[in-house]
Amino acid sequence: GAGVSQSPSNKVTEKGKDVELRCDPISGHTALYWYRQSLGQGLEFLIYFQGNSAPDKSGLPSDRFSAERTGGSVSTLTIQRTQQEDSAVYLCASSLATGYSNQPQHFGDGTRLSIL
Amino acid sequence: GENVEQHPSTLSVQEGDSAVIKCTYSDSASNYFPWYKQELGKRPQLIIDIRSNVGEKKDQRIAVTLNKTAKHFSLHITETQPEDSAVYFCAASGYSSASKIIFGSGTRLSIRP
Repeated sequence: GAGVSQSPSNKVTEKGKDVELRCDPISGHTALYWYRQSLGQGLEFLIYFQGNSAPDKSGLPSDRFSAERTGGSVSTLTIQRTQQEDSAVYLCASSLATGYSNQPQHFGDGTRLSIL
Repeated sequence: GENVEQHPSTLSVQEGDSAVIKCTYSDSASNYFPWYKQELGKRPQLIIDIRSNVGEKKDQRIAVTLNKTAKHFSLHITETQPEDSAVYFCAASGYSSASKIIFGSGTRLSIRP
């Protein structure tokens, strides 16, 4: 079946512009995560959506970053007034988290964001 | 909140030898511990996971051990092969679906021919 889909796969933009990154999770997955991965680095947690609960935004690095998840499915990560340090790969993951236990995450291929 | 530490950050082993990566976690309520492998330029992929009701789990050349008392868990790869070269991430999360998964900082494993 279809996995986690992210778009665009690559995005090059000028400093100061806004960007929107999209994530289509696996159908039926209630949990959705956004991570940022700089070159050669680990997975930096950004935000976590779980069902109808309020999202955990504790990882967002500044108020220029925001995310939405409409209808419990597709999510959009928005970065306003982009800076060069925002350049990274943005990864989305979804999982079939239930009330009983966490389940494995499935990652998308990521969006490689480059700020000129 | 949960904190996961992973060691070593880099590891180089001779092909055919074993590799061990260790992680510790801080939240005693954590009970789910997955391991992910990320090859260069690709997405992280789950290779094995363990829950706190077991102490060890094996899948061919890969095994994970869990010590809940000491709050640490380890990944063991035996008979290493060139295709095992990648970055490996451990992670931990709590029992509830409201508990987000926290990742370690990663181990870059290189297999020497």
